[in-house]
Amino acid sequence: KAGVTQTPRYLIKTRGQQVTLSCSPISGHRSVSWYQQTPGQGLQFLFEYFSETQRNKGNFPGRFSGRQFSNSRSEMNVSTLELGDSALYLCASSLAPRTLRNSPLHFGNGTRLTVT
Amino acid sequence: DQQVKQNSPSLSVQEGRISILNCDYTNSMFDYFLWYKKYPAEGPTFLISISSIKDKNEDGRFTVFLNKSAKHLSLHIVPSQPGDSAVYFCAARPIAGGTSYGKLTFGQGTILTVHP
Repeated sequence: KAGVTQTPRYLIKTRGQQVTLSCSPISGHRSVSWYQQTPGQGLQFLFEYFSETQRNKGNFPGRFSGRQFSNSRSEMNVSTLELGDSALYLCASSLAPRTLRNSPLHFGNGTRLTVT
Repeated sequence: DQQVKQNSPSLSVQEGRISILNCDYTNSMFDYFLWYKKYPAEGPTFLISISSIKDKNEDGRFTVFLNKSAKHLSLHIVPSQPGDSAVYFCAARPIAGGTSYGKLTFGQGTILTVHP
């Protein structure tokens, strides 16, 4: 079974631009979550999508947004990029039906975003 | 407020010996705990998990112990191998309401080095 796939792997953008990152979950997984990893803050939860609806959101500004499609694939968008947005952005998927609530998240290899 | 803490930034162990990685949490609403291993430039890889109704879970060389009264969990790796050298993160998830399963709170990580 293929794992979580994130594209692109690396991205360089300039301050003020916007960026869209893509995530394809493991086949059959319906919940997709996004995390930001930085050296100073560690792994921080951004948001979670299930059945095309945002179910949970972390403490990030409104410049960070996402969406999920009917095939469970997800995209996250960051507008008006700032230098501090440079980070590894990780997508994770899980089964997430009610009867399997204790199912782990499985992560992709991330998109390394550098803002200059 | 750091709800999940890994107080040891690094741990060095000889091959064949036991590695013990520790994690403390403060939020009594956490009821599902996970350990992940991470190599540079890759996403976290799920290792093992434990729900709050158990105090121990084993999977091959990996055992996780949970002490709810002390709000402490630990990961034991026996025997340790050089390939285990990586950053280890513990993570916790609160009692889920609705269909929100994707929000994990991570510790800051412990760098494990296993010497041949």
